[in-house]
Amino acid sequence: RKEVEQDPGPFNVPEGATVAFNCTYSNSASQSFFWYRQDCRKEPKLLMSVYSSGNEDGRFTAQLNRASQYISLLIRDSKLSDSATYLCVVPINDYKLSFGAGTTVTVRA
Amino acid sequence: GAVVSQHPSRVICKSGTSVKIECRSLDFQATTMFWYRQFPKQSLMLMATSNEGSKATYEQGVEKDKFLINHASLTLSTLTVTSAHPEDSSFYICSARGSFGRDNEQFFGPGTRLTVL
Repeated sequence: RKEVEQDPGPFNVPEGATVAFNCTYSNSASQSFFWYRQDCRKEPKLLMSVYSSGNEDGRFTAQLNRASQYISLLIRDSKLSDSATYLCVVPINDYKLSFGAGTTVTVRA
Repeated sequence: GAVVSQHPSRVICKSGTSVKIECRSLDFQATTMFWYRQFPKQSLMLMATSNEGSKATYEQGVEKDKFLINHASLTLSTLTVTSAHPEDSSFYICSARGSFGRDNEQFFGPGTRLTVL
């Protein structure tokens, strides 16, 4: 089983819609989780950190389900600028990160 | 704060040549730097971890003699792809970690796109 697995998508949604997708992880001892955003041919940029049950930042909400070992990311009122690949990142130990392959979201006008 | 730069941003080279990529932490001291490689539509794969003044730790399957890493100072790490071949064409991204911030937080450079002809 991969350390981090994501639905690759793509998720094609109209502007204003809500889109949500999950990430499953294999290490039950993981304590922190990250969602990164990566635009085409660019470096990943940190979108959100999750250290407890969840986190909310504006239109973005991350929720953690430790029992089922998944983290979700929900985007409300999606904008064209939200089109990107969203990477789920789970620390393997205190310095190494494991990246999911990413979920592609395309928001159309 | 916490800005990481990479140079060059793009390089095209002939097969058999060596390419050096620089990664710099501009406004903080990076105790640890990481080198990743990303092929199209794939995840970032950690190649190696380097701590200032010591030898890099390479991930399984990464040839240390082919991918030379030097971390000579707290603000600079270099990756040299020796005798590059077309299969080495990829997006190389470095990240840096300082003594501040939450655990595991890494700051990424903008990446270097390498094309080997």
